[in-house]
Amino acid sequence: QVQLVQSGAEVKKPGASVKVSCKASGYIFTTYYMHWVRQAPGQGLEWMGKINPSGGSTTYAQNFQGRVTMTRDTSTTTVYMEVSSLRSEDTAVYYCARDLGGNPIDYWGQGTLVTVSS
Amino acid sequence: DIVMTQSPLSLPVTPGEPASISCRSSQSLLYSNGYNYLHWYLQKPGQSPQLLIYMGSNRASGVPDRFSGSGSGTDFTLKISRVEAEDVGIYYCMQALQTRITFGQGTRLEIK
Repeated sequence: QVQLVQSGAEVKKPGASVKVSCKASGYIFTTYYMHWVRQAPGQGLEWMGKINPSGGSTTYAQNFQGRVTMTRDTSTTTVYMEVSSLRSEDTAVYYCARDLGGNPIDYWGQGTLVTVSS
Repeated sequence: DIVMTQSPLSLPVTPGEPASISCRSSQSLLYSNGYNYLHWYLQKPGQSPQLLIYMGSNRASGVPDRFSGSGSGTDFTLKISRVEAEDVGIYYCMQALQTRITFGQGTRLEIK
């Protein structure tokens, strides 16, 4: 069955970076785009960007250009999302989620809580 | 970016009663292939979002038939024919017409 398993919770200081992983299984890894969506405490869903695991191409939301980097490792079927220059407003649950290009996002990871605090 | 606007933002409903959520987009989500790139998700408390309706009106696998989606272009509606206790959570519409996906603010459904 399809599974997206994310890395565990992180606590970071302002100005630091965080790298969250998302390991995919149960389907052909390179066939589906992987998105990253975040949710600040008590807030709605915010799309951050996506990566094509096949070639590694990325598209980022304007709000995250220059501060977010998405990569993938096809040998381990894992996608990574790194946020740099963290600030308190980046405290959120970060989700990975897949879609079959032109089809809706259908599976989500369990979420990773990133807390930014001095 | 396409702006998605949901209403109401809070929706108290008595079990067994119907419920309706509106979602409007700042530009048409109807593509030349005849599909509306508008999807609905439910985020139950403490869980990841789950797909309910895709392409405006198609129920996802396993979704009860009390859920239905309608609309085209810029105006969409999610309806629940008879609300049950397990339907509590936050409902989001999402546009996927553009590469840069955007979500509505979310509608919190609660049981009276």
